Amino acid sequence: EDKVVQSPLSLVVHEGDTVTLNCSYEVTNFRSLLWYKQEKKAPTFLFMLTSSGIEKKSGRLSSILDKKELFSILNITATQTGDSAVYLCAANFGNEKLTFGTGTRLTIIP
Amino acid sequence: KAGVTQTPRYLIKTRGQQVTLSCSPISGHRSVSWYQQTPGQGLQFLFEYFSETQRNKGNFPGRFSGRQFSNSRSEMNVSTLELGDSALYLCASSLYHAGNSGANVLTFGAGSRLTVL
Repeated sequence: EDKVVQSPLSLVVHEGDTVTLNCSYEVTNFRSLLWYKQEKKAPTFLFMLTSSGIEKKSGRLSSILDKKELFSILNITATQTGDSAVYLCAANFGNEKLTFGTGTRLTIIP
Repeated sequence: KAGVTQTPRYLIKTRGQQVTLSCSPISGHRSVSWYQQTPGQGLQFLFEYFSETQRNKGNFPGRFSGRQFSNSRSEMNVSTLELGDSALYLCASSLYHAGNSGANVLTFGAGSRLTVL
């Protein structure tokens, strides 16, 4: 069965710290991996990764995919309180269906 | 550009009733997907529609159904509600075309929070 596993489940850090969130997947016919941030209701899109080894970057956030080892990481540097959210990882295996992990709840302490 | 719009935002029903949720996708998006989000199970895929056709369906009982209209708007229906149907129901749309199959960004709506008493 297709599966996406995120770790850690929750993380509490101080403002200014750097965090790394992990996502591993076991999907046949893998096509892409997506990261979303969910604060209150709607998950908002962060990155989509399709190629191995190419880092995607947006401000203090970056992400990379390793298709050989079947994992992705999401890095957030110089964290701010506004980064507090649940970060969701999802894999697409070609039929327009996303399989989501359970998410990592990140809490930033001022 | 308007985002994905879901109505109603909140609703309370009792066991045995049925409910219909509505989703208006981003203009030009023809693929609409529905997900159920609960604290215990996370986000789980319900179904996906494209050009009024259901292309994919998740592992949910037949009480969960949906449809898509010619203007790409979609509705989902849950009949004979059970307590376990209490959840946030999220709709997402994407600019799917054959050339980007499997590599589409889904844009989510704010969701419809259903409480079953």
